[in-house]
Amino acid sequence: AQKITQTQPGMFVQEKEAVTLDCTYDTSDQSYGLFWYKQPSSGEMIFLIYQGSYDEQNATEGRYSLNFQKARKSANLVISASQLGDSAMYFCAMREASNSGYALNFGKGTSLLVTP
Amino acid sequence: NAGVTQTPKFHILKIGQSMTLQCTQDMNHNYMYWYRQDPGMGLKLIYYSVGAGITDKGEVPNGYNVSRSTTEDFPLRLELAAPSQTSVYFCASGEATYYYEQYFGPGTRLTVT
Repeated sequence: AQKITQTQPGMFVQEKEAVTLDCTYDTSDQSYGLFWYKQPSSGEMIFLIYQGSYDEQNATEGRYSLNFQKARKSANLVISASQLGDSAMYFCAMREASNSGYALNFGKGTSLLVTP
Repeated sequence: NAGVTQTPKFHILKIGQSMTLQCTQDMNHNYMYWYRQDPGMGLKLIYYSVGAGITDKGEVPNGYNVSRSTTEDFPLRLELAAPSQTSVYFCASGEATYYYEQYFGPGTRLTVT
């Protein structure tokens, strides 16, 4: 069964607007962590933001925030004031306590295009 | 501090050939991982290691082997390459801190033809 589901294959947003990228997850662990990574066209994986399952507040990192709804098992990434450089693939990933060596399970990603 | 380095960046391999993808990290991390990313997909775990001398299979280990003789190095060996192994391979390392954050190498784009 898919552990991480990203239902939006592609998204468009206008520069300076905010955009939300959806992520739902499936786990029976009480302790887990949720990550968002950005992959620009150059191919590298860039860590953006992390949310622990026991964190009571939503994580924020600059223009990135994570809308964590534990009961709904969702961890949506919000990018505020989009910039042209935000155009990239975005991956949601989960680390479970029961995972092999704390490895990450990744979703299929969402392609974001920021237009002028 | 170079982080995680991978060589080569690109490679074309003939069906049936073998090769080793190199991965080195200089952060003294105990945990290391190999993932593959097929076109339009997320990353899938091939093998991982929790320390020198300790390795184990991930989700998609068939056709690959690994070794971890030092903390720094975690090479991935492809034996008898098949077209299905055409992919981008990422090595990552991490430590058991609060985040358990993984640091990724730049990737190796491999084509088997």
